[in-house]
Amino acid sequence: EAGVTQFPSHSVIEKGQTVTLRCDPISGHDNLYWYRRVMGKEIKFLLHFVKESKQDESGMPNNRFLAERTGGTYSTLKVQPAELEDSGVYFCASSLGGSGRGYEQYFGPGTRLTVT
Amino acid sequence: KQEVTQIPAALSVPEGENLVLNCSFTDSAIYNLQWFRQDPGKGLTSLLLIQSSQREQTSGRLNASLDKSSGRSTLYIAASQPGDSATYLCAVRNMEYGNKLVFGAGTILRVKS
Repeated sequence: EAGVTQFPSHSVIEKGQTVTLRCDPISGHDNLYWYRRVMGKEIKFLLHFVKESKQDESGMPNNRFLAERTGGTYSTLKVQPAELEDSGVYFCASSLGGSGRGYEQYFGPGTRLTVT
Repeated sequence: KQEVTQIPAALSVPEGENLVLNCSFTDSAIYNLQWFRQDPGKGLTSLLLIQSSQREQTSGRLNASLDKSSGRSTLYIAASQPGDSATYLCAVRNMEYGNKLVFGAGTILRVKS
């Protein structure tokens, strides 16, 4: 079974440009999450999808970040326009849902975003 | 607001030693707790998931315990090996805060051969 995949693995952009990150969850996982780690800090939650619906957006830092999950499959996270403080590693995770072990989250390898 | 602390921040041990990593959390009303491993430049690998009703979980040389009332969990690694070298992260989920995980800063483990 394929794990969570993310693309690209690394992106370097200039301040003011736009970047789109993609996440493909484990097949059959209804829950999809975005997290990020900025330099020297803990991994922080950004948002949670259940299928195509945003369940929790409480961690989104501002309106320069837009996440979508069309059709309840893969998800994209767009940053527009990018700022220097957006640099960090963006992780995607998925979980099956339901109860008990269905809440175990499986993480992708991350996308390292560098804004110069 | 849930806060997760991991002690020590870094640990270096000789191969073969048994070791304990500590995780504490401020809000004991958790639903579950996950331990992860992260290798440099890689994603997070889930090691163990402990439900709030459980006291411990075991996987191979790893044993994680949970004392929910005191807000603590420990990850015990038996007979450590150089391949265990990685960053170990603890994360908790509270029902009050939805499905999101709140992470600690991690413990960087180095096992010397």
